Amino acid sequence: DSGVTQTPKHLITATGQRVTLRCSPRSGDLSVYWYQQSLDQGLQFLIQYYNGEERAKGNILERFSAQQFPDLHSELNLSSLELGDSALYFCASSSRQQETQYFGPGTRLLVL
Amino acid sequence: SQQGEEDPQALSIQEGENATMNCSYKTSINNLQWYRQNSGRGLVHLILIRSNEREKHSGRLRVTLDTSKKSSSLLITASRAADTASYFCAAGGGSNYKLTFGKGTLLTVNP
Repeated sequence: DSGVTQTPKHLITATGQRVTLRCSPRSGDLSVYWYQQSLDQGLQFLIQYYNGEERAKGNILERFSAQQFPDLHSELNLSSLELGDSALYFCASSSRQQETQYFGPGTRLLVL
Repeated sequence: SQQGEEDPQALSIQEGENATMNCSYKTSINNLQWYRQNSGRGLVHLILIRSNEREKHSGRLRVTLDTSKKSSSLLITASRAADTASYFCAAGGGSNYKLTFGKGTLLTVNP
């Protein structure tokens, strides 16, 4: 158990819909990272937040957005969903002094 | 784009044998990390090696890093069936420490 929690574990929805994925980092970790894992693209970095502020953006679509709240949990919002958005979405967290990222169990999204 | 490239893509060995996986990356890094993933589940951190280190050990794991060749290797000694998983290298770079993953090596350890 990494200490990072993600909800829900599974999500099935339809094209055009919007969903919210939630992540709680390890206690004390200020950085939260979101990654997407799909069969064709592999593991891709989406976005990073540090203590509530966006720090870096990767291959994140404009239809996707994220935020980190004062209690440090983070949410990833996916809108206008397409079939190709079906993937595993991981959240990871790290502390300021450590480079190791600890991953949550992931949310498996299926868009039908 | 993928920065890390693992080699081989798949590896099948017998229990007790050693498994070696290689990783190459493209740009300068702060560190290189190895993760394990069991069949579509979460990623488990195995080991981190910094750019100024050449070799690191953790239990049955041995990682080497050659920054001049932009490559790393992960050796698992005396493998067990429970080591069956996908192994990913991830290049950590920049001030935000984001990770750039390779496509992974699928290791199968046969009992």
